[in-house]
Amino acid sequence: DGGITQSPKYLFRKEGQNVTLSCEQNLNHDAMYWYRQDPGQGLRLIYYSQIVNDFQKGDIAEGYSVSREKKESFPLTVTSAQKNPTAFYLCASSFSGLAYEQYFGPGTRLTVT
Amino acid sequence: GNSVTQMEGPVTLSEEAFLTINCTYTATGYPSLFWYVQYPGEGLQLLLKATKADDKGSNKGFEATYRKETTSFHLEKGSVQVSDSAVYFCALSSYSNTGNQFYFGTGTSLTVIP
Repeated sequence: DGGITQSPKYLFRKEGQNVTLSCEQNLNHDAMYWYRQDPGQGLRLIYYSQIVNDFQKGDIAEGYSVSREKKESFPLTVTSAQKNPTAFYLCASSFSGLAYEQYFGPGTRLTVT
Repeated sequence: GNSVTQMEGPVTLSEEAFLTINCTYTATGYPSLFWYVQYPGEGLQLLLKATKADDKGSNKGFEATYRKETTSFHLEKGSVQVSDSAVYFCALSSYSNTGNQFYFGTGTSLTVIP
């Protein structure tokens, strides 16, 4: 089955620790994206990548880092510099081109205490 | 710039009522338009899309028409069910100098009561 997976579903960390969220897709999509969603809020773009070994900052990149070493994978690291890291994180992917929709993973809920 | 504005929620309807969720957009060029649905604790799922003016997207009884003259893409359903309770997001895809980007509205929460 083709799709996009995120792991784990729930993640708990202590303040001051870096944590990496996994995102993998087997849809052969070129572009991948990371969003943050806070309760009752819309989506805010953290980082996106249109091609392997290249990525761009979104609207709220501070305190986050990414890599895109493989087409299938786009891990997000939430660093200790991120002031309010507790949130629901969504990964998405798409083909390049205006007509193509994004496919979303099931999300990872990160709680930092 | 590019942006999407959708009606604020929450919206509460009785089962079998008519649903409209308004969505308007601002975009350069000719964007594609999408409606996504999100159930609690899950990712977003594509509900329908339209890629050019006057296109109508439809799926599971939901419809939306791409209206360039009014820059709108309102979501409608003739008879809602309890299972339609979710958050609905309007979105557009538009080109930027770093490839196509997506812009989402803030979401409209729908609750359908029996």
